[in-house]
Amino acid sequence: KNQVEQSPQSLIILEGKNCTLQCNYTVSPFSNLRWYKQDTGRGPVSLTIMTFSENTKSNGRYTATLDADTKQSSLHITASQLSDSASYICVVSVDSNYQLIWGAGTKLIIKP
Amino acid sequence: DTEVTQTPKHLVMGMTNKKSLKCEQHMGHRAMYWYKQKAKKPPELMFVYSYEKLSINESVPSRFSPECPNSSLLNLHLHALQPEDSALYLCASSPWGGGVGNQPQHFGDGTRLSIL
Repeated sequence: KNQVEQSPQSLIILEGKNCTLQCNYTVSPFSNLRWYKQDTGRGPVSLTIMTFSENTKSNGRYTATLDADTKQSSLHITASQLSDSASYICVVSVDSNYQLIWGAGTKLIIKP
Repeated sequence: DTEVTQTPKHLVMGMTNKKSLKCEQHMGHRAMYWYKQKAKKPPELMFVYSYEKLSINESVPSRFSPECPNSSLLNLHLHALQPEDSALYLCASSPWGGGVGNQPQHFGDGTRLSIL
């Protein structure tokens, strides 16, 4: 069964600190892995999309890594800001039409 | 501001009402999607339009009726909804049809729907 699992479920850190969110997947056949940021009451915003051959991709203070062998991905946030408070969702695309497997998300809270 | 615009932002309706949700994008995208998102859950795909034709219907009840009048506009017509249909309804678009592949999806901010 295609599944995406994220950890931790929630995380609280102080402003200015770094953090890393985890995503493990069992999806086949794999097409790509996406990270989204979703603020409360808003739509998801794409942070990165990585294909099988990409190990790392950055978007400002966000850096995603992908290990296709172990089927793991991480999202590292550097020098966190209050505006980083949001849910971060890992999504894996199956190599077919439109099927995206969504993780349950990690709720990140940044405290001043 | 997002490039996918959804109206209204909030909608409260009774179970016997008929209403419509609207989604617009002017990025020239050729694939558009409707998702339903319950609180603290990830979005669930409902419908996909590819080149203005319905290509995916994820076994959605007939009380939800999608319509794509042109490449920029997507509607979701609602009739006789149930309280469990209360959710955030998200619209998204992608540049090309024929499968999401490696394309990005651009989401609107959704319509918060409450059924009384």
